[in-house]
Amino acid sequence: ETGVTQTPRHLVMGMTNKKSLKCEQHLGHNAMYWYKQSAKKPLELMFVYSLEERVENNSVPSRFSPECPNSSHLFLHLHTLQPEDSALYLCASSQDYRQFGYEQYFGPGTRLTVT
Amino acid sequence: EDQVTQSPEALRLQEGESSSLNCSYTVSGLRGLFWYRQDPGKGPEFLFTLYSAGEEKEKERLKATLTKKESFLHITAPKPEDSATYLCAENKLIFGTGTRLQVFP
Repeated sequence: ETGVTQTPRHLVMGMTNKKSLKCEQHLGHNAMYWYKQSAKKPLELMFVYSLEERVENNSVPSRFSPECPNSSHLFLHLHTLQPEDSALYLCASSQDYRQFGYEQYFGPGTRLTVT
Repeated sequence: EDQVTQSPEALRLQEGESSSLNCSYTVSGLRGLFWYRQDPGKGPEFLFTLYSAGEEKEKERLKATLTKKESFLHITAPKPEDSATYLCAENKLIFGTGTRLQVFP
């Protein structure tokens, strides 16, 4: 595997379910990110991890819970979601995390549908 | 409030018809402007980083330029395979909504 991988690619869940999204990067990067992409809206940054520590949490509802066990893996745990949470969830990584920024490498995303 | 605005929202070009996409920003203390390409059903793919006004970068038919207020992505003699959504972002990870480019043969 190369680059950034995400599983599953598609997920349909009910509002009372609990599920997890998984992301793995094979680039040796130190920073990982979760984004939400909805139609007609810009990418919304959800969480940032640098060296397994959360460095940003952009007012995301508690029904989204991230976990970063090591610098190569990132999870997004989902529970009691709402229909408006249906979107494409993208994981990304970058060499490092600094104020001046590094280019990011994205996974293919998980298309989430909440019924 | 920091903001990134892209225009036009959509652009249809004939193959070989050159054009430019615009990304304007109101971010204070910009330290990097990024361009990405996103194909349907895929994650964004990194294209360019620009750090200072006057900087230019090229890749095949694409050239990105940066001023103090905006960035342009120039597409010279585009081909159908250049069809995609082009996103710009600044170093604080604020993205624009993108320009959806369609190139017809």
